[in-house]
Amino acid sequence: DADVTQTPRNRITKTGKRIMLECSQTKGHDRMYWYRQDPGLGLRLIYYSFDVKDINKGEISDGYSVSRQAQAKFSLSLESAIPNQTALYFCATSDLSTYNEQFFGPGTRLTVL
Amino acid sequence: SQKIEQNSEALNIQEGKTATLTCNYTNYSPAYLQWYRQDPGRGPVFLLLIRENEKEKRKERLKVTFDTTLKQSLFHITASQPADSATYLCALAPPSGTYKYIFGTGTRLKVLA
Repeated sequence: DADVTQTPRNRITKTGKRIMLECSQTKGHDRMYWYRQDPGLGLRLIYYSFDVKDINKGEISDGYSVSRQAQAKFSLSLESAIPNQTALYFCATSDLSTYNEQFFGPGTRLTVL
Repeated sequence: SQKIEQNSEALNIQEGKTATLTCNYTNYSPAYLQWYRQDPGRGPVFLLLIRENEKEKRKERLKVTFDTTLKQSLFHITASQPADSATYLCALAPPSGTYKYIFGTGTRLKVLA
């Protein structure tokens, strides 16, 4: 089984809908991250969490919210989706003991019409 | 703010040759720098990490150099194979305890048989 899983893998939705992307990990890492990837813009950090009680905004958090339900689970929500949130979304985990080498999930391709 | 520049143009090389990819950064020297491989539609996979006080790091056919004077890292794949075709990302990893990974947009490598 994959160490970092994301659901759904693909989602098409309409403007204004609320969407939740879920991430689970079996690596036992405390640190989890949400990124989005757009052509030509690279990976950009949305939110990150260092433990269950710690949630922090990244560089592009507007329009997004997160929930850290447990050490292993980190969810990303789009409260009211808009077309420019169409992107590839990745969850990642890391651990200080390995210099924050990041382990990425397979990604969720989200399309907002 | 810190920025990372990777050659956005695809790099085509002949099988068996050495591929060299460049990662330049503009501001402070990172504590360490990472390289990732990303295949289409998949999450990045960690390859190598090099610390600020290291000049060179090797792993099998991969070699990374780090020149803090030039603010540049070079990533080499020797004896390249078609299976090495992918996008390669560099990332500036923050000092231990902080969070903000900064990723380059990546360089697409194609190894021709």
